[in-house]
Order: sequence, then C-alpha cells, then structure tokens
Amino acid sequence: AQSVAQPEDQVNVAEGNPLTVKCTYSVSGNPYLFWYVQYPNRGLQFLLKYITGDNLVKGSYGFEAEFNKSQTSFHLKKPSALVSDSALYFCAVRDSASGTYKYIFGTGTRLKVLA
Amino acid sequence: DAGVIQSPRHEVTEMGQEVTLRCKPISGHDYLFWYRQTMMRGLELLIYFNNNVPIDDSGMPEDRFSAKMPNASFSTLKIQPSEPRDSAVYFCASSLGGSTGELFFGEGSRLTVL
Repeated sequence: AQSVAQPEDQVNVAEGNPLTVKCTYSVSGNPYLFWYVQYPNRGLQFLLKYITGDNLVKGSYGFEAEFNKSQTSFHLKKPSALVSDSALYFCAVRDSASGTYKYIFGTGTRLKVLA
Repeated sequence: DAGVIQSPRHEVTEMGQEVTLRCKPISGHDYLFWYRQTMMRGLELLIYFNNNVPIDDSGMPEDRFSAKMPNASFSTLKIQPSEPRDSAVYFCASSLGGSTGELFFGEGSRLTVL
C-alpha cells in the first residue's frame, strides 16, 4: 500500500534563510509525488510535482523539491524564506503500480517564517 | 476558468439532520475526488469518480455517507443522518486524467454538526 510521511509537525525558519520541509514515501511501483500548500481557511494549492526525469523539480513561488529514489524522499526546499511562505504544506503520492488514481496525503507540516 | 466551486462554504446543522455538499469541477476534468480534513485524521480520501462513475469509495466512513455525480459538471456528498463526529472541512478536487494530473481543490465546505 502506498503511504507518505511528513516527520515534522512544524518547521520554524528565519526570513531570508533556506527552508526544507521533509517528505518520505512508500510505494510498490514508481511514485508520482506532489507538494501542495494550504493557507488558513483555503483549499490546497498545487506547488510542484515529480513524475519522471530530472530529480530536481522547480515549482511555484520559488519552491523546488528533490526526488531521491534511494532514500525514498521528496523534500521541499526554498533558498530564501519569506514571511508570506508561512502556511501548511502537504506532500502527496500516487503509486504508478496501484492501478488506481488514489492520491495519499501526508499529515502536513506547518511552516512558520519569522521576521 | 473559475476553478473548483464548492457550496456551501459553511454549514451548521443539528445532529440527525441531512447535509448535502455540492461541487462543480473544472470543465474538462474527468476525475473528481472528495476529501475530508480534520485535525485528528488529516486529509482522508472519501471517494473518487472517473467520468462520473464512482471508482473507489473505500474511504466513505459508513452508510450515512453517499456521493453522486449525475453529470460531468456536478457532484454531491450527502450525510444522512449527520452526527457531531462528522464535523470537518470537506474538500472537492478535480483533475485531468493521465499519470501527471495534479489535483485542483475547491475552497472547502466547513461542516459543524451540533
């Protein structure tokens, strides 16, 4: 069965510093990996995805993520954090071998960027 | 496009009442998903449709929950009778089929059952 883990409930980072939000996954086949962001009282917004190809994926708002097959990880990164990046971040996975279109989400990581 | 549209945005009801949540997916999208978000359980997939046909409803909590998609532009999630433990934010999402399709979420319907 596919699963995804976000080991940190909250990440605090100073404005201007680099940020990393961690995600690990477990699938039978090849993973399709996604990051979403949720602001208060809003729906989830798509940031970026990895399907195949280059392990470094660039997305919206200056975010990027690195796919690491050996470590089954897909960590979200940004070189310089902004206060406006403070939000709830979700990692999601779909298993290419599952035969379904189920997207499984992690429990979310709250990012707090301090001015 | 206006995005995924959900209604109502907020619903407060009393235990035992019927609740109907509505969703209009993005035009042309052939997959529709219903998720529930709570503090305790995070984001749970309840059911998803492909071309208006329910494909996997294994996440539906119990028989009190039902979902329909009568056409490509409309879906409902119904809870009858509602219970306080159903209080949550319910999200609808749609996607364009194919392996690379990311989900587009609506703004959610916040349900409070008293």
